[in-house]
Amino acid sequence: GNSVTQMEGPVTLSEEAFLTINCTYTATGYPSLFWYVQYPGEGLQLLLKATKADDKGSNKGFEATYRKETTSFHLEKGSVQVSDSAVYFCALSSKGGATNKLIFGTGTLLAVQP
Amino acid sequence: DVKVTQSSRYLVKRTGEKVFLECVQDMDHENMFWYRQDPGLGLRLIYFSYDVKMKEKGDIPEGYSVSREKKERFSLILESASTNQTSMYLCASSLWGGALSSYEQYFGPGTRLTVT
Repeated sequence: GNSVTQMEGPVTLSEEAFLTINCTYTATGYPSLFWYVQYPGEGLQLLLKATKADDKGSNKGFEATYRKETTSFHLEKGSVQVSDSAVYFCALSSKGGATNKLIFGTGTLLAVQP
Repeated sequence: DVKVTQSSRYLVKRTGEKVFLECVQDMDHENMFWYRQDPGLGLRLIYFSYDVKMKEKGDIPEGYSVSREKKERFSLILESASTNQTSMYLCASSLWGGALSSYEQYFGPGTRLTVT
């Protein structure tokens, strides 16, 4: 079945450091891929998405490229800020059926220190 | 602005009580979802609905039921709450654009339920 694996946290970085959070997936067909972010005490917000191979999603300085050959969708940011501290979830949506269910990874906690 | 609201942010119930969690979306979305979020397990789908009065089981439906009488409202019901249902519950909604489309889900702020 479809699944998402993302790196275990927590990830602790200093402000302005480079961030990578790894995400790989297993899916049949051509899923859409998403990164969601959850700030403390809040629900999930969509951060970025990509709907086909080689697409790059970007938002708020974060980027991720849909790599079909390596079945990956790693999240990157060149210079993190304290305000980026949150839990990040990688997810895929397999097309077909009466709805588009999302399958989530377990989440990666990012803590950015000043 | 897109909005999904949940009836309570925090809820404390006793074992055996019947619990209702309400979710309302104002985006005219066809699809609605209920998840529970637990540390180390990520989000797990409990139930979803793709139309009024239509529902399907997700990955962990045991101990839960749902109701969707109006398009904008999706309720999660714990018939007899148990301590292992203590969790964060998240509601989400999305458009339905056909079998080959894939729209993002919009989430509510969550309800942290404690069953004692």
